[in-house]
Amino acid sequence: AQSVTQLDSQVPVFEEAPVELRCNYSSSVSVYLFWYVQYPNQGLQLLLKYLSGSTLVKGINGFEAEFNKSQTSFHLRKPSVHISDTAEYFCAVSDSVKLIFGTGTRLQVFP
Amino acid sequence: DADVTQTPRNRITKTGKRIMLECSQTKGHDRMYWYRQDPGLGLRLIYYSFDVKDINKGEISDGYSVSRQAQAKFSLSLESAIPNQTALYFCATSDLMGADTQYFGPGTRLTVL
Repeated sequence: AQSVTQLDSQVPVFEEAPVELRCNYSSSVSVYLFWYVQYPNQGLQLLLKYLSGSTLVKGINGFEAEFNKSQTSFHLRKPSVHISDTAEYFCAVSDSVKLIFGTGTRLQVFP
Repeated sequence: DADVTQTPRNRITKTGKRIMLECSQTKGHDRMYWYRQDPGLGLRLIYYSFDVKDINKGEISDGYSVSRQAQAKFSLSLESAIPNQTALYFCATSDLMGADTQYFGPGTRLTVL
């Protein structure tokens, strides 16, 4: 069975600092990986996804993620965060039928 | 107008009451999903539907039922609500391909007293 582990439940960071949100997955089949963001009082929206090809995936709002098959990871990064990046971030893996979500990482950006 | 809408946005009800949460989409997608979100647990799949005649149980379907009235409408019912069903409920849609993006509604906050 596929699963996703987000190692950090909360990540506090100061504005303009870099950030990495960690995600590890387990899958025995072809991997489709996603990062979603949930801003306060809103639904989830897609940040980026990896289906195949280049292992470095660029998404919206300056975020990027790197697919690492040997380490079964798909960590999300941003070189310089803004206050507006404060949100909850979810990593997910698709089993071609449905998404399996991680438990989420709350990113809190301080001025 | 939003592509995926949910009604109501907030609901407070009492134990034992029947509750229906509704979801409509204008994206023309075949696949629709219901999730619940609880703090520290992420999103868990309740039911999903690939078309009007195809309904499938998800990870946590006990205590819930669904109805796919049309391609664009997917309702979630709690036949007899209980307090541990207090949660944030999301509807989502996607196109036919499994690797496609899911589009989420704004959520319904349900409180069962």
